[in-house]
Amino acid sequence: AQSVTQLGSHVSVSEGALVLLRCNYSSSVPPYLFWYVQYPNQGLQLLLKYTSAATLVKGINGFEAEFKKSETSFHLTKPSAHMSDAAEYFCAVRGGTSGSRLTFGEGTQLTVNP
Amino acid sequence: DTGVSQDPRHKITKRGQNVTFRCDPISEHNRLYWYRQTLGQGPEFLTYFQNEAQLEKSRLLSDRFSAERPKGSFSTLEIQRTEQGDSAMYLCASSYLAGEETQYFGPGTRLLVL
Repeated sequence: AQSVTQLGSHVSVSEGALVLLRCNYSSSVPPYLFWYVQYPNQGLQLLLKYTSAATLVKGINGFEAEFKKSETSFHLTKPSAHMSDAAEYFCAVRGGTSGSRLTFGEGTQLTVNP
Repeated sequence: DTGVSQDPRHKITKRGQNVTFRCDPISEHNRLYWYRQTLGQGPEFLTYFQNEAQLEKSRLLSDRFSAERPKGSFSTLEIQRTEQGDSAMYLCASSYLAGEETQYFGPGTRLLVL
């Protein structure tokens, strides 16, 4: 069975500072990994995905994530936070009996302070 | 290319009533997923369809829940005899079965059961 752990339910950074959101996964098969962002009262928007190609994945809005098999991690980073980055971020792994369902972490709420 | 749409966006109902939600996927997407998200949690998988066939159902999907995708296009999720514990955001996602199969989410339907 697949699972995801997001370390830190709340992360607060200053505008212009580095953003680091942590995600560790557990998977019995080579995983497909995703980061989604959710703004208040909205659905989820895909930020980036790892699909066994390059281990460093670049996404939208300046975000990137690095897949580290040895650490079973897929941490999300952005060099310089912007006020508009304030949102909830979810890491997800694809798996399940048919290999299609997404299993999400509990999310990390990012606050950006001026 | 329009995204995934869901209707209604908000629903308030009294305990014991039946409710039905609709999801229209991205055109030509052959897979459609339903997830439920409670406050402060990540989305949890409920069920998914490939074309009109329902291929997987979560144990979360009690007998009061039923989902259909009659012509392989839009889908409906019905909850019978609603309970206060059904209050949540119901998210729909669609994907095209090819390659890494990325799921794209709709804006969700927020249900409040009084």
